[in-house]
Amino acid sequence: EAQVTQNPRYLITVTGKKLTVTCSQNMNHEYMSWYRQDPGLGLRQIYYSMNVEVTDKGDVPEGYKVSRKEKRNFPLILESPSPNQTSLYFCASSQQGATYNEQFFGPGTRLTVL
Amino acid sequence: GDSVTQMEGPVTLSEEAFLTINCTYTATGYPSLFWYVQYPGEGLQLLLKATKADDKGSNKGFEATYRKETTSFHLEKGSVQVSDSAVYFCALSDKKGYGGSQGNLIFGKGTKLSVKP
Repeated sequence: EAQVTQNPRYLITVTGKKLTVTCSQNMNHEYMSWYRQDPGLGLRQIYYSMNVEVTDKGDVPEGYKVSRKEKRNFPLILESPSPNQTSLYFCASSQQGATYNEQFFGPGTRLTVL
Repeated sequence: GDSVTQMEGPVTLSEEAFLTINCTYTATGYPSLFWYVQYPGEGLQLLLKATKADDKGSNKGFEATYRKETTSFHLEKGSVQVSDSAVYFCALSDKKGYGGSQGNLIFGKGTKLSVKP
């Protein structure tokens, strides 16, 4: 089954404790992206990747890191989480960029930073 | 920069009512336009899209027409069902990069629709 998976689905952590949210897709997609969803703000892009070893900042990259060492994986790293990073996070992938292609979204990771 | 504005919700309708969710955009050039839907507890799914002016996207009884003159992409459905209850996001993607295909999605804030039986 074609899908985007994220782990963990739920995470409660404390300020400053490094964490990684994994994202994996099995569709051989070149493009992957991370978004955060906050009430009243919709989805905002954090980082995206056009292909292996190619990543770029989205609209809200501060406090986040990503890497793309393999085509299928695109982990999101919070080196020192803060309470303002409490949010619902979505990973997405598509064959190329978003212009003509459907983006497939993972189920989301709900992160709470205390 | 590019942006999307959609009507604020929540929108509450009775089953079989007509639905319109307004969406307007600001962009340089001629972006692709999308409606994504998010059912409770799930990720987003593509509902429909239009990649050039005057295109009409349609799916599952929903329709939206790309209107360049009014920079709009309003979502409509003639008769909603309880199962249509969800959050609807309007989005655009500019055309850049190789073949113009390497745009990113810019989302509106979402409109929550509740349909009562």
